[in-house]
Amino acid sequence: NAGVTQTPKFQVLKTGQSMTLQCAQDMNHNSMYWYRQDPGMGLRLIYYSASEGTTDKGEVPNGYNVSRLNKREFSLRLESAAPSQTSVYFCASSPRIQGGPNTGELFFGEGSRLTVL
Amino acid sequence: AQSVSQHNHHVILSEAASLELGCNYSYGGTVNLFWYVQYPGQHLQLLLKYFSGDPLVKGIKGFEAEFIKSKFSFNLRKPSVQWSDTAEYFCALSLGGYNKLIFGAGTRLAVHP
Repeated sequence: NAGVTQTPKFQVLKTGQSMTLQCAQDMNHNSMYWYRQDPGMGLRLIYYSASEGTTDKGEVPNGYNVSRLNKREFSLRLESAAPSQTSVYFCASSPRIQGGPNTGELFFGEGSRLTVL
Repeated sequence: AQSVSQHNHHVILSEAASLELGCNYSYGGTVNLFWYVQYPGQHLQLLLKYFSGDPLVKGIKGFEAEFIKSKFSFNLRKPSVQWSDTAEYFCALSLGGYNKLIFGAGTRLAVHP
């Protein structure tokens, strides 16, 4: 029962470096999300993908790009890391019920702690 | 813009004490409301949710929440907390499809034996 798997769990970058956070889910969910968690600010949505082949901006998309590689995988890329991107990043997925209300239940990964020096 | 406010950032209780965590949201239309919990070192997981119907909803581990539309509130309650309830609790709202949840800042609960 892997659920949502994120890699890497920890990463230290220098300002200006690039990196990609990987996320994969094995629950056949349609929707996937990237959030960042900062002290005192809760979780803020960076990007989401309602279904394979689509991506949309969330609250705080600047400085990030995403790719929905297939139904299972949704990656987050930092092209030129900045200290303001030091955070804990969470990937999540959720199912969509055809013809019915969404469940509102997100299934989260364990998080990736990123430090930008 | 829609937002979620959690009044208490840190709460410290003794075991068997009653718990109430406040959550208010700003949006004039129909909302779906949620409480998520993050135990130390674990994933966030859903505690309970409200879509419609009975405004008093029950979740896992003895938690419940009451939706009061006139107060734009969705407070989380538990009659008697346990040490194992030590965690961070997040209130969240969704305005509709694709589960775009807006989270509050979270409340860290510490329960002492």
